[in-house]
Amino acid sequence: EDQVTQSPEALRLQEGESSSLNCSYTVSGLRGLFWYRQDPGKGPEFLFTLYSAGEEKEKERLKATLTKKESFLHITAPKPEDSATYLCAVLLVSGTYKYIFGTGTRLKVLA
Amino acid sequence: EAGVTQFPSHSVIEKGQTVTLRCDPISGHDNLYWYRRVMGKEIKFLLHFVKESKQDESGMPNNRFLAERTGGTYSTLKVQPAELEDSGVYFCASSRSGNTIYFGEGSWLTVV
Repeated sequence: EDQVTQSPEALRLQEGESSSLNCSYTVSGLRGLFWYRQDPGKGPEFLFTLYSAGEEKEKERLKATLTKKESFLHITAPKPEDSATYLCAVLLVSGTYKYIFGTGTRLKVLA
Repeated sequence: EAGVTQFPSHSVIEKGQTVTLRCDPISGHDNLYWYRRVMGKEIKFLLHFVKESKQDESGMPNNRFLAERTGGTYSTLKVQPAELEDSGVYFCASSRSGNTIYFGEGSWLTVV
């Protein structure tokens, strides 16, 4: 069964304390892996798309990487405004375009 | 450019009533999706439209849910009759190519 698992479920960091979020996946065939940020009461906001192992994408304090079994979202010197839930989703190589989501990592950055 | 717009943002209805959720995709996006997140669970796929055609409705829970997309523009998702387990947030998303999808703010449904 295709599955996406995110860890940790929740993470508290001090401002400036770098860390990484993990997204591991077991799927029949990966078309792409996506990272989203979700603020309370809002919809997921697109961050990155990764298509192949070894690929990396960066945006401000965030960097996403991809291997054949997992993806990491590295957060460098986070700020309180980085507090949110970070969601990982995969799109399979199949005839359909349905994402499979993980349950997310709730990040809290303390000032 | 306007994003994906959903209405209503919040809805509280009684069990057995009907609710219709509306989604306006990003202009020019032929692909429209409905997803749902129920309490404590991950976001799950409901269905996918390409223009006005249902491409994949494998995630629809049962026949109490009906989705339509008039003329390939906006879409509606009707729940009739609503049950308690239908409570959650319903997200609409759209895309141009089918890969990266962009979400709306969600319609939060509470069935009491």
